[in-house]
Amino acid sequence: GQNIDQPTEMTATEGAIVQINCTYQTSGFNGLFWYQQHAGEAPTFLSYNVLDGLEEKGRFSSFLSRSKGYSYLLLKELQMKDSASYLCAVRDNTNAGKSTFGDGTTLTVKP
Amino acid sequence: GAVVSQHPSRVICKSGTSVKIECRSLDFQATTMFWYRQFPKKSLMLMATSNEGSKATYEQGVEKDKFLINHASLTLSTLTVTSAHPEDSSFYICSVPPSGSNGLRSRGYTFGSGTRLTVV
Repeated sequence: GQNIDQPTEMTATEGAIVQINCTYQTSGFNGLFWYQQHAGEAPTFLSYNVLDGLEEKGRFSSFLSRSKGYSYLLLKELQMKDSASYLCAVRDNTNAGKSTFGDGTTLTVKP
Repeated sequence: GAVVSQHPSRVICKSGTSVKIECRSLDFQATTMFWYRQFPKKSLMLMATSNEGSKATYEQGVEKDKFLINHASLTLSTLTVTSAHPEDSSFYICSVPPSGSNGLRSRGYTFGSGTRLTVV
């Protein structure tokens, strides 16, 4: 099975940088996702890492270390609209490719 | 990009009745779809994997007779909550994987908009 751990809550200031960490223990690994979810809405895709290293997409970057079972999501130039829940999800290596989600990190961006 | 339509978005039903939730893949064929349940301020809990033309695969602890899944075509999966009770009240959401590794990097899995079920 999968065990995924991420902080419950974080607070940051508008314009700043914040890093959200995710650690996982898994019986089979085939990639890690980061999603953003606003209350009452569906998750939206942010990033996917399957190899070690950093993936950059505009203000958002995601890093993966498979040997350490560790990933982080880095958000730069924070905006108020970035206040949301950020979900780390690990994809398994079965044919179905199902994803197991962490409990999410609620980020609050303050002025 | 992939478009997944989920209906209804909200439903209120009486205890003991059944509710059907539809998840449609509008612009590509999906042999596999996933159904999740989400409690307030909690993350998504995988309930089952819906497989086109065959039986769904349920996660441990999920009652298959309670949550009926049908995936009769490559574009439609349905989740029926049978004999609903107040404890079944939750946010139900479907997810469709992309085809190919490029899709994983560019858009990940696509989620429906979710169904807020309230059983009274």
